[in-house]
Amino acid sequence: AQKITQTQPGMFVQEKEAVTLDCTYDTSDQSYGLFWYKQPSSGEMIFLIYQGSYDEQNATEGRYSLNFQKARKSANLVISASQLGDSAMYFCAMRDATSGTYKYIFGTGTRLKVLA
Amino acid sequence: GAVVSQHPSRVICKSGTSVKIECRSLDFQATTMFWYRQFPKQSLMLMATSNEGSKATYEQGVEKDKFLINHASLTLSTLTVTSAHPEDSSFYICSARAGFGTSPLHFGNGTRLTVT
Repeated sequence: AQKITQTQPGMFVQEKEAVTLDCTYDTSDQSYGLFWYKQPSSGEMIFLIYQGSYDEQNATEGRYSLNFQKARKSANLVISASQLGDSAMYFCAMRDATSGTYKYIFGTGTRLKVLA
Repeated sequence: GAVVSQHPSRVICKSGTSVKIECRSLDFQATTMFWYRQFPKQSLMLMATSNEGSKATYEQGVEKDKFLINHASLTLSTLTVTSAHPEDSSFYICSARAGFGTSPLHFGNGTRLTVT
């Protein structure tokens, strides 16, 4: 079955430093998509970055980049130059098409705290 | 673009009453919307997939008579929690895709339901 694993329940990073949030996935599909979302304490889910399984280059969006290692089935999020506003929950998600309709499954999340 | 509006943001109701939550796609049409439930400090659990003009597809373990989903138009899906009980208290969040393929999910701001 499709599964997303985030092994870091909490992370700390110093302001202006870079941080890597881990995500591994399990799927038998050849075609899939991986996403990262940010959830501040207010609760809304903010889309950050997407990586397709056939994309040869790692995705980047501003300070966010995705370290995609297909053979290892990992899709780690790298946040560069951390800011205080980056403190939030971060969820890794995968689009699952095995049932014939697209579903999105989420990992358990990593709570990031940026220290001043 | 790709804005999803969810109302109400907070609701408190008495045990035994029903509560309706609306999810609207404001600037795009969504043939499919997804309803998630999130317990405090936990991940998003997919409850059901809402399909315009047809019955919703519920995930295993989700009571379809308790959580009624109606997707009457391409821009509106509703979740009704019937005969609510304190254990139904949770954060409910809807989402939709604005396109196909690589499109991410766009989320509403969620509804915090408290049943007293």
